[in-house]
Amino acid sequence: QVQLVESGGGVVHPGRSLTLSCATSGFTFSSYGMHWVRQAPGKGLEWVAIIWHDGSDKYYADSVKGRFTISRDQSKNTMYLQMNSLRPEDTAVYYCARDGYKHFDLWGQGTLVTVSS
Amino acid sequence: EIVLTQSPATLSLSPGERATLSCRASQSVTGSYLAWYQQKPGQAPRLLIYGASTRATGTPDRFDGSGSGTDFTLTISRLDPGDFAVYYCQQYASSLSITFGQGTRLDIK
Repeated sequence: QVQLVESGGGVVHPGRSLTLSCATSGFTFSSYGMHWVRQAPGKGLEWVAIIWHDGSDKYYADSVKGRFTISRDQSKNTMYLQMNSLRPEDTAVYYCARDGYKHFDLWGQGTLVTVSS
Repeated sequence: EIVLTQSPATLSLSPGERATLSCRASQSVTGSYLAWYQQKPGQAPRLLIYGASTRATGTPDRFDGSGSGTDFTLTISRLDPGDFAVYYCQQYASSLSITFGQGTRLDIK
């Protein structure tokens, strides 16, 4: 069925790195832009990054620009988020979401990233 | 950056009542690219409305989105017990400007 499954979350020390994955199935991955959206504990939703359907363009929220890198592997139907120089304020559930043209029409279940010493 | 302000922060109503949720943008939302999401505890958000007024697949017709420019509304005509959740609006003016409102919590009175 159509689904997104995130993985790779965990506990990491400040300043360290972590890579999240979003495995997709049930639709033509290469036809859709994809996003990462995060939610700090007890807080609202924050958009993090977008990658074009063909990987040709990428944009980031100011809060992660220069530290996070979004990418995708069309052969594996998977999207990634490489997170470097992690800070305590990056602690959140990270969701991957499909771009349904100017909205997010499909979401994964999320993966929790905790940045703590 | 377009800032979305949702009101009220919390809305306490009873099943069967009508709910009106507001989302105001700091500047006009191009093309009415405004969406609404529902999030229940421990779950991912779920798309309800996009393009300000188009129901997503599976959204009951008691959910109605309206508005344009800077003022948008989500109306739930008759609250079902399963509708009590947090609701977020989101705008997508461009890939350089994607923002969410802070959310409205809809509680059972």
